[in-house]
Amino acid sequence: GDSVTQMEGPVTLSEEAFLTINCTYTATGYPSLFWYVQYPGEGLQLLLKATKADDKGSNKGFEATYRKETTSFHLEKGSVQVSDSAVYFCALSTKAAGNKLTFGGGTRVLVKP
Amino acid sequence: GAVVSQHPSRVICKSGTSVKIECRSLDFQATTMFWYRQFPKQSLMLMATSNEGSKATYEQGVEKDKFLINHASLTLSTLTVTSAHPEDSSFYICSAIPVGSGGPISYEQYFGPGTRLTVT
Repeated sequence: GDSVTQMEGPVTLSEEAFLTINCTYTATGYPSLFWYVQYPGEGLQLLLKATKADDKGSNKGFEATYRKETTSFHLEKGSVQVSDSAVYFCALSTKAAGNKLTFGGGTRVLVKP
Repeated sequence: GAVVSQHPSRVICKSGTSVKIECRSLDFQATTMFWYRQFPKQSLMLMATSNEGSKATYEQGVEKDKFLINHASLTLSTLTVTSAHPEDSSFYICSAIPVGSGGPISYEQYFGPGTRLTVT
């Protein structure tokens, strides 16, 4: 079945540091890929998405590129802020699976001033 | 746009009682909504797909008689946890896919803020 693997946290960084969260996937068919962010005590917010190979999703300084050859969708941000402290989830969906989302385990990021 | 609300945001109930959680799409219609469960510091687990006007589709291992789902309108799905026990304590999150006259507008899911259930 479909699966998403992302690096385990917590990831602790200083403000203005570079952030990378690795995400790889296995899927039947051609998935759409997503990064969601969850702030403490809240639901999920879509951070960015990509629907086909080589697409780059970007939002709020975060970027991720859909790499079909390596089945990856790594999340990056060049200069993190304290407000970026949250849990980040990589996810995929396919039409074959009725567009259900399959989530990775989540990566907790803590940015210190 | 595409706002999903959940009510209540927090609920505490006694063991053996039932609790209903509402999921509403505020500015769009949704024939499909999803219910997830999230344990502390863990990922989201899909419990069931809620289909407007028909029965919900439950994921393997989820007790349909314990977690009753009703999708009575294009903007409302409810999850009722029946005879709740402490092990049902969790964070429950719903999501919805916007639909237009020709079907889904997109396949992006919009998430509610979650409901924290504590069973004592």
